[in-house]
Formats: sequence, structure tokens, C-alpha cells
Amino acid sequence: KQEVTQIPAALSVPEGENLVLNCSFTDSAIYNLQWFRQDPGKGLTSLLLIQSSQREQTSGRLNASLDKSSGRSTLYIAASQPGDSATYLCAVRGYGNKLVFGAGTILRVKS
Amino acid sequence: EPEVTQTPSHQVTQMGQEVILRCVPISNHLYFYWYRQILGQKVEFLVSFYNNEISEKSEIFDDQFSVERPDGSNFTLKIRSTKLEDSAMYFCASSEGDRAVGELFFGEGSRLTVL
Repeated sequence: KQEVTQIPAALSVPEGENLVLNCSFTDSAIYNLQWFRQDPGKGLTSLLLIQSSQREQTSGRLNASLDKSSGRSTLYIAASQPGDSATYLCAVRGYGNKLVFGAGTILRVKS
Repeated sequence: EPEVTQTPSHQVTQMGQEVILRCVPISNHLYFYWYRQILGQKVEFLVSFYNNEISEKSEIFDDQFSVERPDGSNFTLKIRSTKLEDSAMYFCASSEGDRAVGELFFGEGSRLTVL
């Protein structure tokens, strides 16, 4: 059974810092991995999708990497801003058609 | 930008009542999903739907739950007799493709409170 773990559970940084969020999964047989942002009481906003054949994807200040064989992904956020404060969720899609989510990293960027 | 829309945003119901949550997926998407998030817990899969039938469901999705695509645009989740433990945020999602390529897009959620 796929398990997804995200470290750290919470992170507080000053504005402008570069930061890394970590995601690990137990079963490397995945089709893809998706990173989401969730604001309090809101829905999930897709940030990046990485296919299993890819090593990384970039969107603006966000860069996500995938090491399928070791069961790890990282989300790198450059030059963090207070508006980046949110919960970041990692989810993997295996050979079923469902996403399995981690518990998330709560990010607070202080101005 | 196309988006998944959900109604209602919040519903309060009494235990044992039937609830229908509605979703309008992105128009050219073919795969539809329901997920839920109990307060303080992980987002968890309920059901996926393709070509007018359930393609996969979790152990949570028991006989109290059903899904339907009553017309070309709506996708609904029905809970026949709500329990206290059904209180959660319910998210609808859709994707253009299936597991190999499909990026999932989620709605804002429907918060269900069962009293």
C-alpha cells in the first residue's frame, strides 16, 4: 500500500529565502507525482505535475524534482514571498487511478 | 481559465439525511473524481468515474455513497444516510487524461457538516 510522507510538517522562514520541501513515497511504481497548494479552507491548486519518466519540472519560482527509484521528490521555492504561505501537498499516482496524498507541509513566510 | 466548480460551498445536515454534492468539471475533461478531507487529516480518494461508470473506488465508498453524471456537465456525489463521521470537505476533480498523463484539477470543495 502506497504511503506518502512529507517533511517538514511545518516551516517558517523570512521573506526572500530559498526553501526545499520534501516528499517521499514507499512504492516507486508510479505514473506521476503532483504538487498542490492549499490555502486555509480552500481547494487544491495544482502547481506542478511530473511524469515518472521526467526528472524535474519548473514553473516560475517553483522547481520540482523526482527520483522515482529512491521514492523522493522535492519542491524548491526560490525567493519566497508572504503570498507563498499555504499548505503544500504532494500526491502520487500509482497503477490505480487515484492520487495518494501526503499530510502536507505548512509554510509560513514572514515579511 | 477553465475551472472545476462545486456547490454548495457549505451544507449542514442532520444525521440520517440524504445529501447531494454537485460538481461541474472542466468541459473537455473525461475523468472525474471525488476526494474528501476530514479536518486535520490527509486528502483521501473516494471514487473515479469514466465513460459513465465507476472505474475505481476506495473502501470508504460503501453502499451509502453513489455518483452520477445526470447530464453532459454535472457530476454528483450522493450520500444516502449521513453519519457524523461523514463530516468533511469534499473535493471534486477532473482530468483530461487517465493515470499516465492526467493532471488533476480540483474544485474549491463542499464542506459537509453532519449534526
